[in-house]
Amino acid sequence: GNSVTQMEGPVTLSEEAFLTINCTYTATGYPSLFWYVQYPGEGLQLLLKATKADDKGSNKGFEATYRKETTSFHLEKGSVQVSDSAVYFCALSDRNRDDKIIFGKGTRLHILP
Amino acid sequence: SAVISQKPSRDICQRGTSLTIQCQVDSQVTMMFWYRQQPGQSLTLIATANQGSEATYESGFVIDKFPISRPNLTFSTLTVSNMSPEDSSIYLCSVVKGQETQYFGPGTRLLVL
Repeated sequence: GNSVTQMEGPVTLSEEAFLTINCTYTATGYPSLFWYVQYPGEGLQLLLKATKADDKGSNKGFEATYRKETTSFHLEKGSVQVSDSAVYFCALSDRNRDDKIIFGKGTRLHILP
Repeated sequence: SAVISQKPSRDICQRGTSLTIQCQVDSQVTMMFWYRQQPGQSLTLIATANQGSEATYESGFVIDKFPISRPNLTFSTLTVSNMSPEDSSIYLCSVVKGQETQYFGPGTRLLVL
């Protein structure tokens, strides 16, 4: 079945450091891929998405590229801020499976000033 | 996008009681989803709710414990019945809009004593 694996946290970085959160997936079809972010005490927000191979999703300085050959969708940001501290979830959605989303376990990110 | 509201935002309940959570969307949607996020965990899909039909439950979730209503295309309720401390979680509803993108409500934080 479909699944998502992302790097375990917590990840602690200093402000302005480069961020990578790894995400790989297993899917039988051609899924869409997402990164969601959950700020402390809040619900999930869509951060970015990519719907087909080689697409790059971007938002708020974050980027992720849909790599079919490596089944990956790693999240990157060149210079993180304290306000980026949150939990990040990688997810996939397969239209052949009624748009159900499968989430990774989440990666908690702490940014130190 | 979609704007989703949930009521209540949080509650503290006694063991053995039931709580109904409401989810309101600002536009008509075909499918609504209910998720549970246990403390420090990722999201688990409870059920999919389509208007005019019975909800479809995921493995491990049953209608007697989590009855769902979907009276129209903008509203749904989830009831957590006969609660125990193990039901303490964040409960989130979500909808699909646009290209397979799910949007989430802010969540209902439930604590069962």
